[in-house]
Amino acid sequence: TQLLEQSPQFLSIQEGENLTVYCNSSSVFSSLQWYRQEPGEGPVLLVTVVTGGEVKKLKRLTFQFGDARKDSSLHITAAQTGDTGLYLCAGTGAGSYQLTFGKGTKLSVIP
Amino acid sequence: GAGVSQSPSNKVTEKGKDVELRCDPISGHTALYWYRQSLGQGLEFLIYFQGNSAPDKSGLPSDRFSAERTGGSVSTLTIQRTQQEDSAVYLCASSLDYGGNGYTFGSGTRLTVV
Repeated sequence: TQLLEQSPQFLSIQEGENLTVYCNSSSVFSSLQWYRQEPGEGPVLLVTVVTGGEVKKLKRLTFQFGDARKDSSLHITAAQTGDTGLYLCAGTGAGSYQLTFGKGTKLSVIP
Repeated sequence: GAGVSQSPSNKVTEKGKDVELRCDPISGHTALYWYRQSLGQGLEFLIYFQGNSAPDKSGLPSDRFSAERTGGSVSTLTIQRTQQEDSAVYLCASSLDYGGNGYTFGSGTRLTVV
């Protein structure tokens, strides 16, 4: 069973601050995805990374996939109140369709 | 449709009753997944359908849980003789092919067993 550990579990920051969320595993993933979920809604896909060392940017969000494809990070620059939500990382193993999810990081951005 | 549609959005049922949860995936998406999200827990895989292949039921927690997908489109998740530990948000997702490029989730059904 592939496990994904996310840290921190909870994060509360002031608007304008920077933050990084981590997703770690002892297993290798063929792809890793980040989702954001708001209360009462399903997770919404933010990005998919597939190549070790890959870096993707989505406006103020920067996603990195570790060289060994076992870990990933999400960095948010100048957080806004609209960034508040539950951030989930999820990975697929080689040849697998099943996504394994971490437990998520609950982010609160305070105005 | 434009997105994944789930119904009902909320369901309160008495312990021991059966419930049916419905998922209408995005048109053309061959893969359909059911996940369960409990408070403080991550998403737990339940079942996967891909085209006309036999479903992967390896995540179903007990034989009280079953699911079907008719005509490669709409799916129904049935929970028989509900228990309080079944209370959770049940999420459906669909994807093109095997989902390696991401799922599209519905808003979920919040099930409360009293």
